[in-house]
Amino acid sequence: EIVMTQSPATLSVSPGERATLSCRASQSVSSNLAWYQQTPGQAPRLLIHGASTRATGVPARFSGSGSGTEFTLTISSLQSEDFAVYYCQQYNNWPPYTFGQGTRLEI
Amino acid sequence: QLQLQESGPGLVKSSETLSLTCTVSGASISSGVYYWGWIRQPPGKGPEWIGNMFHSGSIYYNPSLRSRVTISVDTSKNQFFLKVNSLTAADTALYYCARHRDGFSPWGQGILVTVSS
Repeated sequence: EIVMTQSPATLSVSPGERATLSCRASQSVSSNLAWYQQTPGQAPRLLIHGASTRATGVPARFSGSGSGTEFTLTISSLQSEDFAVYYCQQYNNWPPYTFGQGTRLEI
Repeated sequence: QLQLQESGPGLVKSSETLSLTCTVSGASISSGVYYWGWIRQPPGKGPEWIGNMFHSGSIYYNPSLRSRVTISVDTSKNQFFLKVNSLTAADTALYYCARHRDGFSPWGQGILVTVSS
């Protein structure tokens, strides 16, 4: 099973600033990595797939990069609605698909 | 617009079997190249994949849950199902169904299942 490790667990930033979230895989997942955003009381929402492709309707301030074992989600200018929990998920070697433990983005 | 909706009991007893239904609207689960899956999320924790099915009948399970989980489908009703047996308190979670190709999207709203002793 591939273990996904996200860092930091919590990231404190201010609106308008840039946020950089990291995700590391225990072995290569190529570019088969997705990022999700989860706000309180809501289901996760797909932001990025293929490590760097924004899902339909996702604002351009969200960008993903990386391949192999190291991945980054960058939010270029934080809006109030971006404060949420973010998860990465690999779908390269499955079963099982595996998720990271999440990064909480807070003000 | 594609939508998924979970239904089932919100409270089940320890050692019993949980049965959930995912009803899909806006697309047919019999067509396309998508998998349809179940994911759960214990309170305050990250998501855990339970299993996926393809309309052809292929079904894949998380090895950690395989011995207790069954996924099935009724294409005539555009529904797929989850059964989890031998429940314990550790199975208390929000249960989601979702479509998967490159990532899970969209997700249903989720159903909170509490396992009581």
